Amino acid sequence: AQKVTQAQTEISVVEKEDVTLDCVYETRDTTYYLFWYKQPPSGELVFLIRRNSFDEQNEISGRYSWNFQKSTSSFNFTITASQVVDSAVYFCALAVYGGATNKLIFGTGTLLAVQP
Amino acid sequence: NAGVTQTPKFQVLKTGQSMTLQCAQDMNHEYMSWYRQDPGMGLRLIHYSVGAGITDQGEVPNGYNVSRSTTEDFPLRLLSAAPSQTSVYFCASSPRTSGSYEQYFGPGTRLTVT
Repeated sequence: AQKVTQAQTEISVVEKEDVTLDCVYETRDTTYYLFWYKQPPSGELVFLIRRNSFDEQNEISGRYSWNFQKSTSSFNFTITASQVVDSAVYFCALAVYGGATNKLIFGTGTLLAVQP
Repeated sequence: NAGVTQTPKFQVLKTGQSMTLQCAQDMNHEYMSWYRQDPGMGLRLIHYSVGAGITDQGEVPNGYNVSRSTTEDFPLRLLSAAPSQTSVYFCASSPRTSGSYEQYFGPGTRLTVT
């Protein structure tokens, strides 16, 4: 069975602090994809990143970076120098490759509050 | 492109009423799906479709029906609304090409059943 765990329910930081959101996943499949989505207070879901199971290179995009470690089944997300606009719920998700299905399995989300 | 559109944005139903949540996409995506979002539970898959005329159940299908008569539209029907169906509903679509699993989400429909 596949599962995504985001153990941090809520995180509160002060602007300019760095913050890491944890994501641990479970799957027995060797081919899979991991995602991060952002849900700002307006409610829409914004795609941030997709990573496949064969690419363990870390990725950096501006103030955002992602650390994928298959050895610990983790796909953590770090925001450097956080800003108030980063306040949102962040979801980690897993999709297993194969067949005709693109089912996404979501974690329960982490609410990030960035205080000015 | 409008992307994925959903109507209505908000809806209040009484227990036992029926309604249809509309979802449309203009990206010619073959795969479409419906999720519900509840506090503390993330998003859970209700139904999905891999193409016109093909639908299947997700994790929480009870109380919901779907059909896919065209590539563009994927409506979700509540036949007899229950308070447990109070939730935010998201429709999503993605290309069916191998390796492309990014899903594009609509803005959501907030449904309250009293």
